[in-house]
Amino acid sequence: DQQVKQNSPSLSVQEGRISILNCDYTNSMFDYFLWYKKYPAEGPTFLISISSIKDKNEDGRFTVFLNKSAKHLSLHIVPSQPGDSAVYFCAASSWGANSKLTFGKGITLSVRP
Amino acid sequence: DSGVTQTPKHLITATGQRVTLRCSPRSGDLSVYWYQQSLDQGLQFLIQYYNGEERAKGNILERFSAQQFPDLHSELNLSSLELGDSALYFCASSQTGGGTGELFFGEGSRLTVL
Repeated sequence: DQQVKQNSPSLSVQEGRISILNCDYTNSMFDYFLWYKKYPAEGPTFLISISSIKDKNEDGRFTVFLNKSAKHLSLHIVPSQPGDSAVYFCAASSWGANSKLTFGKGITLSVRP
Repeated sequence: DSGVTQTPKHLITATGQRVTLRCSPRSGDLSVYWYQQSLDQGLQFLIQYYNGEERAKGNILERFSAQQFPDLHSELNLSSLELGDSALYFCASSQTGGGTGELFFGEGSRLTVL
């Protein structure tokens, strides 16, 4: 049972345009959400996060939006750059001593020059 | 460089064999997590240790076991290997054992079972 779903396996955008990466979750206990970026032959690296008390968090070119009622979050990258080409994982967790990150399958983003 | 070190980076072995993957967490991090990434799959949580104690268990097979040592490094033991165990195994560490602490990942150990 996939509790975190990234239904689109890939996305291709033109350099300078907006990239929108979507993520859905089913577990209503999740209250903290993160995006990780992964380049080939490297481990995932933390990109941006948002807690359930917010609906938006911005960090430079990256903005994460959270719609709790729809159990949906999205990552916006503006403007997209070729160096953003990577696999992006959405992850979720809930507060607690045993909380762990539950990851989606990832989206491969390709930014065309 | 995340500060998390995993060895070996690549490992090729045969079915039925046993291997050990090693992870050294970031300095000061008490928690170690193991994740498995198979083809076309996301990162599947296997197990978490916090300061030497098992803290949470995920979809870890009985053929797999892990431990965290007093110096906080961790080992993941995979035995009676099957073809389907071929995957990328990631170790991650964090300062705390829960909540919303950011995880720092190593580069992974790629296991190929022939």
